[in-house]
Amino acid sequence: EADIYQTPRYLVIGTGKKITLECSQTMGHDKMYWYQQDPGMELHLIHYSYGVNSTEKGDLSSESTVSRIRTEHFPLTLESARPSHTSQYLCASSDPALATEAFFGQGTRLTVV
Amino acid sequence: AQSVTQLGSHVSVSEGALVLLRCNYSSSVPPYLFWYVQYPNQGLQLLLKYTTGATLVKGINGFEAEFKKSETSFHLTKPSAHMSDAAEYFCAVSVNTGTASKLTFGTGTRLQVTL
Repeated sequence: EADIYQTPRYLVIGTGKKITLECSQTMGHDKMYWYQQDPGMELHLIHYSYGVNSTEKGDLSSESTVSRIRTEHFPLTLESARPSHTSQYLCASSDPALATEAFFGQGTRLTVV
Repeated sequence: AQSVTQLGSHVSVSEGALVLLRCNYSSSVPPYLFWYVQYPNQGLQLLLKYTTGATLVKGINGFEAEFKKSETSFHLTKPSAHMSDAAEYFCAVSVNTGTASKLTFGTGTRLQVTL
């Protein structure tokens, strides 16, 4: 049973607000990822981490930032939300051993008005 | 770099009919291949994966996929579609690049199942 949690599930917020999307996993996985997915569209990797104090930009440029202070926690922050940030954000984690799949959270659907 | 191509953004089948979702990959090293399913407003759930060994892999919900190296394909099949199979399906590839291994996803195929 995969144990990766994202909060909130849904968020509607005004332009200019600072927001943090939470992601936690209890599997002890070193690798964690954030994907952005527009409705009916493909997933784009925006951030990933190999472990504590490791963060990297993904394939899609994003104005968001991430941190990895603890193994189990990988929050994503937007300093000033804009309507263009409206999307679904999916967090995932995987074991660093080869060929293991990524486990996904249920996602956070963000709407910036 | 690896990449994945899913042919057909939308596939519609009748209930009870064969489901075939196509996936081709590109990788310079032996890949690991995955199929994920996504239901509305949900995260992704692993259906099945190919790592090494047997090229025909069986997954959950009656799905299976066959790794064909010569065709660089990993098509997903199910003999008989059920209404509950309607969802978005993503093919993904991962390769080992030293300390890093990232999943690269295809653009997804929306499966519609009709009565």
